[in-house]
Amino acid sequence: SQQGEEDPQALSIQEGENATMNCSYKTSINNLQWYRQNSGRGLVHLILIRSNEREKHSGRLRVTLDTSKKSSSLLITASRAADTASYFCATDEVSNYQLIWGAGTKLIIKP
Amino acid sequence: DTGVSQDPRHKITKRGQNVTFRCDPISEHNRLYWYRQTLGQGPEFLTYFQNEAQLEKSRLLSDRFSAERPKGSFSTLEIQRTEQGDSAMYLCASSSRLGKNLYEQYFGPGTRLTVT
Repeated sequence: SQQGEEDPQALSIQEGENATMNCSYKTSINNLQWYRQNSGRGLVHLILIRSNEREKHSGRLRVTLDTSKKSSSLLITASRAADTASYFCATDEVSNYQLIWGAGTKLIIKP
Repeated sequence: DTGVSQDPRHKITKRGQNVTFRCDPISEHNRLYWYRQTLGQGPEFLTYFQNEAQLEKSRLLSDRFSAERPKGSFSTLEIQRTEQGDSAMYLCASSSRLGKNLYEQYFGPGTRLTVT
């Protein structure tokens, strides 16, 4: 079953703007990961944040984690057309290998 | 290209037929996962192998589904007596047991199954 939820379901912004997506989950976790999926393709790992971390950066990506609220956010700065994709969060709520996924946020970057 | 390959990329079959998909993980990865993804949804976990041992199976994996990883390298997922509800993208992923990218899963491009 899917226990994570991303918000919003869809987001459309102009190129160059920042995009923020949120993820909520239900139980305690060890790690939370964000993945990107281009249309009809496989998923690509973006970033992992551990439960004892609050913020992590990777290039134009910034991830925050609030374990008290059981939520995470992914910020993409200075968006580009190539960032158009669906973004999923995944948590290891069951075990350290079985990932629980949300339904994703579909991001469209308008040129 | 993540280094994980899946074959075929697309499969169209008639209801009631059997289908088999193959996944070749990254060679040094000992963990292999199968997921199913339907349109507009995130992946749903099906099963997990560590080396050749199948350690976890989802309740989603009915008795019509079987997965193998005979030598701890490639894996196959077979669906018997396919039903229209089996139409989905079947994703394979692999990960390493060691190293700093311990929990990062590398996904193949998927096999899109259409049951008519």
